[in-house]
Amino acid sequence: GNSVTQMEGPVTLSEEAFLTINCTYTATGYPSLFWYVQYPGEGLQLLLKATKADDKGSNKGFEATYRKETTSFHLEKGSVQVSDSAVYFCALSSGGGADGLTFGKGTHLIIQP
Amino acid sequence: DGGITQSPKYLFRKEGQNVTLSCEQNLNHDAMYWYRQDPGQGLRLIYYSQIVNDFQKGDIAEGYSVSREKKESFPLTVTSAQKNPTAFYLCASSTDGHSNQPQHFGDGTRLSIL
Repeated sequence: GNSVTQMEGPVTLSEEAFLTINCTYTATGYPSLFWYVQYPGEGLQLLLKATKADDKGSNKGFEATYRKETTSFHLEKGSVQVSDSAVYFCALSSGGGADGLTFGKGTHLIIQP
Repeated sequence: DGGITQSPKYLFRKEGQNVTLSCEQNLNHDAMYWYRQDPGQGLRLIYYSQIVNDFQKGDIAEGYSVSREKKESFPLTVTSAQKNPTAFYLCASSTDGHSNQPQHFGDGTRLSIL
């Protein structure tokens, strides 16, 4: 079956540091890949997506590249801000997508001023 | 503004009681989903629906039931058979259930046991 593995948290960084959150996946076929962000007490917001190999998703300074050869979709940002503190989820969709997303367990990111 | 509305934000259940969580969307999306979120476990799929009057079990459907009588509504009932219902419940929707379409989420309902 499908699975997503992402680095355990919490990850604590200083403001303006470089961020990488690792995500690897196992899936049949050619999944679409997503990063979602969750702020305290809220639902999930789509951060970025990639639908085929070598696609790069980007939004709000965050980037992730769909690497089929390494089955990875690592999230990066060059300079984090305190407002980026949240839980980040890597997810995939395959088999037509109608059967829902498979999520990683989430990575809690804490940015200190 | 279009979006997904979940209510109530907080809900308490007594032993042996069924409770229903509401999910309404005005995005004109065909597909809707219910997820359960537990600390440190990510999100797990409970039920999903691709179209009105049709729905399918997800990974953890036992103890839950749903209906899809209208396109915009997908209520979830947590029955007394669900022995560990305390969790954060998230409803989501997508345009047509295709894999490259993202899901849009509501703000969730937190269910606790009295």
